[in-house]
Amino acid sequence: GIQVEQSPPDLILQEGANSTLRCNFSDSVNNLQWFHQNPWGQLINLFYIPSGTKQNGRLSATTVATERYSLLYISSSQTTDSGVYFCAVDPQGGSEKLVFGKGMKLTVNP
Amino acid sequence: SAVISQKPSRDICQRGTSLTIQCQVDSQVTMMFWYRQQPGQSLTLIATANQGSEATYESGFVIDKFPISRPNLTFSTLTVSNMSPEDSSIYLCSVEDPSGIYEQYFGPGTRLTVT
Repeated sequence: GIQVEQSPPDLILQEGANSTLRCNFSDSVNNLQWFHQNPWGQLINLFYIPSGTKQNGRLSATTVATERYSLLYISSSQTTDSGVYFCAVDPQGGSEKLVFGKGMKLTVNP
Repeated sequence: SAVISQKPSRDICQRGTSLTIQCQVDSQVTMMFWYRQQPGQSLTLIATANQGSEATYESGFVIDKFPISRPNLTFSTLTVSNMSPEDSSIYLCSVEDPSGIYEQYFGPGTRLTVT
């Protein structure tokens, strides 16, 4: 099956710093989503981005489907950005099932 | 988007017992999905539930252990049967955006601890 790799696995930042999270996938996909899981376990939708670039406030994302990767940018990080970030893909030929990467734990210190 | 609620939000259960988790969506959706997240791990799909048909289970998950019901287009249940401590996880249901975009939204999850 498709492999979804996220990097880095963990990241510690000072408040105000910028960061880039990467998601590589091994095969063609219909869809790609980025999620933030807060400390209570809730998965928050960040981006639905099968291709192209989107921005939402301090966050932006870019997916280059032909090269099978996606990037999530966090600028001017805040302590509330802490948590686990997941990339998930729906492989082509699948049934709208999401395959998740292992996640990236972000800690933003004040 | 879709608004999803789950009950219970958390529970502590004894081994050998069963727990049924409910998932309610605020609009009609064709497909509902159940995921498991073991401690410190990523999410793994358990099964896909379509209204009016048997759920489709992923490799490693069986109906006897995780029976699923889907009585209508806004509701589903997942039962975790004959529980053991290894079943301690967060269980999440998800749905696709009812507008037709293939974006998935997740419920708040049910945090299960088996003692």
